[in-house]
Amino acid sequence: DAGVIQSPRHEVTEMGQEVTLRCKPISGHNSLFWYRQTMMRGLELLIYFNNNVPIDDSGMPEDRFSAKMPNASFSTLKIQPSEPRDSAVYFCASSSGQGWNEQYFGPGTRLTVT
Amino acid sequence: EDKVVQSPLSLVVHEGDTVTLNCSYEVTNFRSLLWYKQEKKAPTFLFMLTSSGIEKKSGRLSSILDKKELFSILNITATQTGDSAVYLCAVYNNNDMRFGAGTRLTVKP
Repeated sequence: DAGVIQSPRHEVTEMGQEVTLRCKPISGHNSLFWYRQTMMRGLELLIYFNNNVPIDDSGMPEDRFSAKMPNASFSTLKIQPSEPRDSAVYFCASSSGQGWNEQYFGPGTRLTVT
Repeated sequence: EDKVVQSPLSLVVHEGDTVTLNCSYEVTNFRSLLWYKQEKKAPTFLFMLTSSGIEKKSGRLSSILDKKELFSILNITATQTGDSAVYLCAVYNNNDMRFGAGTRLTVKP
């Protein structure tokens, strides 16, 4: 298996632009997680899906952030409009079962908003 | 407020030493505690602990959970330079996962 796939690996954009991050979980995994990591705040859970349904989005910082999982093999995290403080590494992870099992992380997307 | 505290924040040892990393937590509706290793990129999973007193072991790494005293330890024996990384502890309850700040371990040759 190729593992969790994220794209793009790096994204540089200007403040106010829309940013879309993409994730393909490991085949057969039915839980998917979006995390954000910064030096200041460490690793934070933004949202997680189980069987394509958002279970908890309390970690999503504000309305500018939205996440979707239209099918079992694809998820997006969108920021609109982006701000410099959104600069971070965004990780996607997937796991099997009800969700809170061993999670496998993707390589991350490094987002820089100027 | 739920919190996860790791100690020490950083640690420098020499190859062959044994290290113990600590993770204490205050979380409502605790379900499990997880340990991850993060080198330069994404975290990789080490252990998931759900029950008190049952040691999980993988090679030179082992971990145990104490649900009464609300902490877990991660032991690494005979450390190698490849063990240098940030070790993250995370605790989840019914709907949320909270990470500690991590312990940065440096193993010198």
